[in-house]
Amino acid sequence: AQSVDQPDAHVTLSEGASLELRCSYSYSAAPYLFWYVQYPGQSLQFLLKYITGDTVVKGTKGFEAEFRKSNSSFNLKKSPAHWSDSAKYFCALEGGGGTGSKLSFGKGAKLTVSP
Amino acid sequence: ETAVFQTPNYHVTQVGNEVSFNCKQTLGHDTMYWYKQDSKKLLKIMFSYNNKQLIVNETVPRRFSPQSSDKAHLNLRIKSVEPEDSAVYLCASSRDRKNTLYFGAGTRLSVL
Repeated sequence: AQSVDQPDAHVTLSEGASLELRCSYSYSAAPYLFWYVQYPGQSLQFLLKYITGDTVVKGTKGFEAEFRKSNSSFNLKKSPAHWSDSAKYFCALEGGGGTGSKLSFGKGAKLTVSP
Repeated sequence: ETAVFQTPNYHVTQVGNEVSFNCKQTLGHDTMYWYKQDSKKLLKIMFSYNNKQLIVNETVPRRFSPQSSDKAHLNLRIKSVEPEDSAVYLCASSRDRKNTLYFGAGTRLSVL
């Protein structure tokens, strides 16, 4: 079984602060991990992914995430945050195995950055 | 850049009707998906196709059936809609499991 947990449903920051959105996962084998963002009224867009290799991955829009196998986490970070970062962020795990593809999403974290 | 096209954008219908949603991708990807996003923005995979073959079929009611004519198209039919089917249906594609999903704009279904 595989699962993704995003414990903070709502995160509020002031512009210029550092943001960190938490993501933990449960999967018995090596996971492929992703972050996607959904701006209000829009569909999901890819931010970054970890497949293998360097545990710190950089993505679009100045975001980065660190894969930590020791505590099964893949937290998303950005500094400084900008008001345009206000959106819903989804962490996702690909662990279908074989040829099956089954990307499981967390419940999402709604980020509000005030100017 | 929009490369996954969904129609219609919105659909309002009554309980018991049949609806069909279309999805086409122009990225040359082999894998396509249908996801359901509910009113709380929770995302759940429904189906996954690789090169016209069904590879993932999550526990969804039997009234939902995917249809793929070629690897660029994946449609979704709902035979007899129920109120709980009201949601946004997102189509996506990817090259393979390790790769980025590209999402369409979604089809918002309202069942009255």
